[in-house]
Order: sequence, then structure tokens, then C-alpha cells
Amino acid sequence: AQSVAQPEDQVNVAEGNPLTVKCTYSVSGNPYLFWYVQYPNRGLQFLLKYITGDNLVKGSYGFEAEFNKSQTSFHLKKPSALVSDSALYFCAVRGYNTDKLIFGTGTRLQVFP
Amino acid sequence: NAGVTQTPKFQVLKTGQSMTLQCAQDMNHNSMYWYRQDPGMGLRLIYYSASEGTTDKGEVPNGYNVSRLNKREFSLRLESAAPSQTSVYFCASSESGTSGVAANEQFFGPGTRLTVL
Repeated sequence: AQSVAQPEDQVNVAEGNPLTVKCTYSVSGNPYLFWYVQYPNRGLQFLLKYITGDNLVKGSYGFEAEFNKSQTSFHLKKPSALVSDSALYFCAVRGYNTDKLIFGTGTRLQVFP
Repeated sequence: NAGVTQTPKFQVLKTGQSMTLQCAQDMNHNSMYWYRQDPGMGLRLIYYSASEGTTDKGEVPNGYNVSRLNKREFSLRLESAAPSQTSVYFCASSESGTSGVAANEQFFGPGTRLTVL
């Protein structure tokens, strides 16, 4: 069965510092991995996805994610955090023969000035 | 191009009442989804529709029904609301495609915040 784990409920980081939001997955076959962001009282917005190819994926708002097959991880990163990055971040996985996504429980990112 | 729209934005029901949540997308997507979001549990798929006229159960379908009225619209119905259905409901759509190349992202509506008393 497919599953996604986001081990941290909250990540705190100072503005200007690098940030990492962790995600690990379990799926049969090749994984298709996604990151979404949710601002307060809004729907989810797509940030980036990994399908195949380069393990480092670049996405919106300066975010990137590194796919690591041996560690079954897909951590979200940004070199320099902004206060406006404060939001709820979701990792999701999709199996090969389905359109359905399985979401993690979310990680709240708090960036302090 | 409005993307995915949902109505209503907020709703309060009494236990046992029924209601329908509406969702429409203008991106010509084949696949549409209904999720519920609860604190600490992420998003859980209620129902899914791969194309007009087809629907499939997700992770938490009990207590809900859906209708894929046409390619644009996908409604979610609560026949007899229960307090356990208090949640935020999101509709989403995507280009369909089960092959690896077409692993398309989902586009989400703004959500409906439902409270069942």
C-alpha cells in the first residue's frame, strides 16, 4: 500500500536561513511525488513534482526538492527562507497506474523575522 | 479562467440534515476529486471521478455520495449529516493519465468549511 510520512508537525526557521521539510514515502514501483503548499483559509497550491530524471527538482517560489530512492525520501528545501513562506506544506505520492494521490499529514513551517 | 470553484464557502448543518457541495472546473480536466481535511490527518480522498459518468470510492466514502454531472461539475452529497462530517472539503481536478509521463498535478478549489451540530 502507498503511504507518505511527514515526521515533523512543525518546522521553525529564522528568515534568511535554509529550510528543509521532510517527507518519506512507500509505494510499489516508481513513485511520482508532489509537494503542495496551503496558506491560511486557502486551497492547496502545487509547488513541484518528481516524475523521473534529475533527482533535484526545482519548483515555484524558489523551492526545490531532492528525490533519494535509497532512502525513499523527497525532502523540500529552500536556500533562504522568507517570512511569507510560513504555511502548511503537504507531501503526496502517486502510484504508477492511478490518478489518486496519498497525502502526508502536513508540516507547518513557521519562519521568524 | 477561474480554475476550480466551490460553493458554498461555509455551511452549518444540524445532525440529520442533507446538503450538496458543488464543484466546477473550467480547465477541461477529465479527473475530479473530493477530499476532506481534518487537523493532524492531512487530506483524505472521499470520492474520485476519472471521467464523465464514472465515479470511484476513495479512502473515506461512507456517508457521502457523488455525481459527475458533466465534464465540468462534480458534486458531493451528504444525505444525513453527522458531527463526524465536520471538516473542510476540497474539490480538485487534473488532467487524467495513468502513465508515468502524464503524472499531472491536481488543482484545488478554495474549500467549503462545514460544521455539523
